[in-house]
Amino acid sequence: EAGVAQSPRYKIIEKRQSVAFWCNPISGHATLYWYQQILGQGPKLLIQFQNNGVVDDSQLPKDRFSAERLKGVDSTLKIQPAKLEDSAVYLCASSLKAGRGETQYFGPGTRLLVL
Amino acid sequence: AQSVTQLDSQVPVFEEAPVELRCNYSSSVSVYLFWYVQYPNQGLQLLLKYLSGSTLVKGINGFEAEFNKSQTSFHLRKPSVHISDTAEYFCASNFGNEKLTFGTGTRLTIIP
Repeated sequence: EAGVAQSPRYKIIEKRQSVAFWCNPISGHATLYWYQQILGQGPKLLIQFQNNGVVDDSQLPKDRFSAERLKGVDSTLKIQPAKLEDSAVYLCASSLKAGRGETQYFGPGTRLLVL
Repeated sequence: AQSVTQLDSQVPVFEEAPVELRCNYSSSVSVYLFWYVQYPNQGLQLLLKYLSGSTLVKGINGFEAEFNKSQTSFHLRKPSVHISDTAEYFCASNFGNEKLTFGTGTRLTIIP
């Protein structure tokens, strides 16, 4: 079974530029999550999708971050414009369904450096 | 406030020695608890989880954890570590909903 795929793996941009990350979850997984992991910290949830609908985006900085999952499969996370403090690893995860005990499967992440 | 605390940011251990990585939580609601491992340049992988039932949970790679409600702890243990266990370990919980709250992580370094 293929795991969660993410691209690109690494990205370097200058502040005020825009960037987009792509995630393809495990086939058949209805729930998709985007996390931000700043160096030295644990991952922090940015947004959760159930199929193509948003379940929780309470910690997404909506003035600069946006995310979509139009067909309920793959997803894109965008930052526009980027700030220095956005330097982090962006992790995508998926689970078969929503639920407190469901296992989340993580992709390898995209490491973003904003200069 | 609901939170997950990992007191040790780094733990060095000799190869074949036992290890315990500590995790405490603070919550006024029932919790589900998880341990994830992150190898260098990789995503997180689930080691084990506690949902209910037996307080001793066995996971992959020889790891186990014990849920202690009175101590509000969920410490991770392994009786004998290997070089391949070098990684960062994260404790996490969902506090009454689906969102995972992670601790800050413990970096386990195995000394040959």
